[in-house]
Amino acid sequence: DGGITQSPKYLFRKEGQNVTLSCEQNLNHDAMYWYRQDPGQGLRLIYYSQIVNDFQKGDIAEGYSVSREKKESFPLTVTSAQKNPTAFYLCASSQRGRGASEQFFGPGTRLTVL
Amino acid sequence: GIQVEQSPPDLILQEGANSTLRCNFSDSVNNLQWFHQNPWGQLINLFYIPSGTKQNGRLSATTVATERYSLLYISSSQTTDSGVYFCAVRGAGGTSYGKLTFGQGTILTVHP
Repeated sequence: DGGITQSPKYLFRKEGQNVTLSCEQNLNHDAMYWYRQDPGQGLRLIYYSQIVNDFQKGDIAEGYSVSREKKESFPLTVTSAQKNPTAFYLCASSQRGRGASEQFFGPGTRLTVL
Repeated sequence: GIQVEQSPPDLILQEGANSTLRCNFSDSVNNLQWFHQNPWGQLINLFYIPSGTKQNGRLSATTVATERYSLLYISSSQTTDSGVYFCAVRGAGGTSYGKLTFGQGTILTVHP
């Protein structure tokens, strides 16, 4: 079954802790993305990667970091510098980054800061 | 950057009714997608439709790129159609990479 998996589904974090959200895809897509969704809002782009070992900041990258060491994996770290990290985080992938290409989304991770 | 506006923000229907959701965007696009977000938060791809018309069962979509809008039609609505519908676009400008810009969504509630 081809698709995008995210883990964990729910995550609770104490203030001051870093946490890492996992995103894996077996669609053989080159490009991967991280979005954040706040209640009642659309999605906003945090980071994206068009190819292995390359990634770029999106619109709201402050307080987040990523890595892209393998084509199928794009983990997101929410650092203690992120002032308001409680949100729903969605990972996406597409066949390529440049040019028009349909994006597909994983099931998401709900992060709550206690 | 590109702006996306969806209307109406909320829509309440009786089962069996038809509806039209609208998405206006402020600039040229080379990607437009419609999504349904279910109660668990999963974004389900409905249409990839930068231009033209597509149909999938009770749903259809039309994008008129020259006039910068897209419409999503839902016919014979069912309670399982409830949820949030998002329109998302990728600007045709060279610096927009693969980023999708999302509208605020239309919250659809279908009553039995």
